[in-house]
Amino acid sequence: AQSVSQHNHHVILSEAASLELGCNYSYGGTVNLFWYVQYPGQHLQLLLKYFSGDPLVKGIKGFEAEFIKSKFSFNLRKPSVQWSDTAEYFCAVNEGRNSGYALNFGKGTSLLVTP
Amino acid sequence: DGGITQSPKYLFRKEGQNVTLSCEQNLNHDAMYWYRQDPGQGLRLIYYSQIVNDFQKGDIAEGYSVSREKKESFPLTVTSAQKNPTAFYLCASDPSRGSHNEQFFGPGTRLTVL
Repeated sequence: AQSVSQHNHHVILSEAASLELGCNYSYGGTVNLFWYVQYPGQHLQLLLKYFSGDPLVKGIKGFEAEFIKSKFSFNLRKPSVQWSDTAEYFCAVNEGRNSGYALNFGKGTSLLVTP
Repeated sequence: DGGITQSPKYLFRKEGQNVTLSCEQNLNHDAMYWYRQDPGQGLRLIYYSQIVNDFQKGDIAEGYSVSREKKESFPLTVTSAQKNPTAFYLCASDPSRGSHNEQFFGPGTRLTVL
């Protein structure tokens, strides 16, 4: 089975700092990759996704992620974070048809942005 | 207003009791999923269903059961066999037309077993 690793469990940044959250996966075949965000008290929602094409994908709220196939990585970035980016971030990989396209999630990274 | 609803938001049960968590969607999605979220563990798949009257076990199905009698509904029963049922439970759905689908999530139910 695929595994998804998120390197940072807790990150604390000051506003305007740059953000990079690491994500690596173990599956060697074709993958579909996602970043989800869970703001305090809100639904889990999609930030961005990669299926094919340009490995640099842009999502909502100024987030982007780069798929590097040779490194099995899909790191999330934002040039300048805001207090409102405080949330939990999950990287996920689509497991493919045998698992009904269920998502395999990393353990999450809790981001706290301080004023 | 389209979306996924889960009820109740908070649920308390005594140890040894079965409890059923509701999940309803009006997005006309074929596939539905149940995940469990624990602090520091991410989301783990309990059960999923691609079509009505069919469902499959996920990674941590032991102690849980589901049914899919209607397209819009996918209730999850946490049985007394589940050794550590206290957790946050998330229901999701997607159109199930391929692997490119975004999953849409409900607001979750926080279950506490006393």
